[in-house]
Amino acid sequence: DQQVKQNSPSLSVQEGRISILNCDYTNSMFDYFLWYKKYPAEGPTFLISISSIKDKNEDGRFTVFLNKSAKHLSLHIVPSQPGDSAVYFCAARSTVAGNMLTFGGGTRLMVKP
Amino acid sequence: DGGITQSPKYLFRKEGQNVTLSCEQNLNHDAMYWYRQDPGQGLRLIYYSQIVNDFQKGDIAEGYSVSREKKESFPLTVTSAQKNPTAFYLCASINTGAGNQPQHFGDGTRLSIL
Repeated sequence: DQQVKQNSPSLSVQEGRISILNCDYTNSMFDYFLWYKKYPAEGPTFLISISSIKDKNEDGRFTVFLNKSAKHLSLHIVPSQPGDSAVYFCAARSTVAGNMLTFGGGTRLMVKP
Repeated sequence: DGGITQSPKYLFRKEGQNVTLSCEQNLNHDAMYWYRQDPGQGLRLIYYSQIVNDFQKGDIAEGYSVSREKKESFPLTVTSAQKNPTAFYLCASINTGAGNQPQHFGDGTRLSIL
């Protein structure tokens, strides 16, 4: 079963507007959540993360929100830029499982000029 | 300049052949990981190692083998028992003693079947 799900395979947004990418998880043992950005034929690049003891973390144009009761996190990109076009993966870590990451299936973000 | 180096970038395998993918890191990270990505899907864990000479199976270890003889190296062998090896393979590493830190990834190896 998928412990981490990204239900939207793709998202199209106009330049300058907000992009909201969503992620749901089922495992209550996850204690650290990350977002990665990936271009084709390249490795994922770390974007932003949040610990389970927080509900918000901000870094420039990127903000991650965590709702533990709903087991839901989201990534907000404001304002969106054409260079943000990529596939975004959310990932979750459980320290009881060797710091392994469990990844969602990814959301392809397209930012139109 | 510290980082993770995966080689080769592209690799072709014949039927019945074993191939080995290289992963080297100079970040002094203790833990290393191998993931597989199929088109339109997320990353799935094949094997991981938290210390030299020790490794554990991930979710899809069948048909793969690894070794960890040196801290900086974690090669992955795709054996002939792996019936569907065509995929993008990613290696990652992390310093597990540094608190909440992200895994760092190499640029991947794309394996195809001839």
